[in-house]
Amino acid sequence: DAKTTQPNSMESNEEEPVHLPCNHSTISGTDYIHWYRQLPSQGPEYVIHGLTSNVNNRMASLAIAEDRKSSTLILHRATLRDAAVYYCIPRGGYGGSQGNLIFGKGTKLSVKP
Amino acid sequence: DTAVSQTPKYLVTQMGNDKSIKCEQNLGHDTMYWYKQDSKKFLKIMFSYNNKELIINETVPNRFSPKSPDKAHLNLHINSLELGDSAVYFCASSQVPTGFTGELFFGEGSRLTVL
Repeated sequence: DAKTTQPNSMESNEEEPVHLPCNHSTISGTDYIHWYRQLPSQGPEYVIHGLTSNVNNRMASLAIAEDRKSSTLILHRATLRDAAVYYCIPRGGYGGSQGNLIFGKGTKLSVKP
Repeated sequence: DTAVSQTPKYLVTQMGNDKSIKCEQNLGHDTMYWYKQDSKKFLKIMFSYNNKELIINETVPNRFSPKSPDKAHLNLHINSLELGDSAVYFCASSQVPTGFTGELFFGEGSRLTVL
């Protein structure tokens, strides 16, 4: 499984953009990069995923480095509800155990009003 | 309607007891999972079932036995509970088409406290 490195914690002000980095230098060519987040006292929820190209959805944007060894989750305007632990997870492109979600420590994002 | 629902949400019990946590998903997914989140907040996969068949069984004591009566349900039975079993247990489901990794949908968790 590819190892990931994320900052333990980050702070942001409400309504400002947030860039959450992740290093995954041992990622394999078929691993997608998934991001999940876990709000306090809730189960993890899917945020976004990508393979090579940058991706956008209603929650966030994902910028993937050209060599795929790092990626950045971008929240365009942080809200108080975005305070959560964010997990960056390389995940195999096929089902079975290679498709397993392996959670690391994640980044705890605090959002100040 | 809740997509992935777990019961009970809270469970307090004594060491040595046997307990079960139930999970149901109404998303029509083929794959279901159990994850454990310990006091240090690490989330670790325990089991994965695809269409009622076990496909992942991580290093988990055999006191833990998953049971999948149908593809919408994956229950977790724990025998002879120990203090170290205290944790939050999350059920999840996904639809995993071949060649693509599907999004996982998680339940709200079941907090187990063993005294």
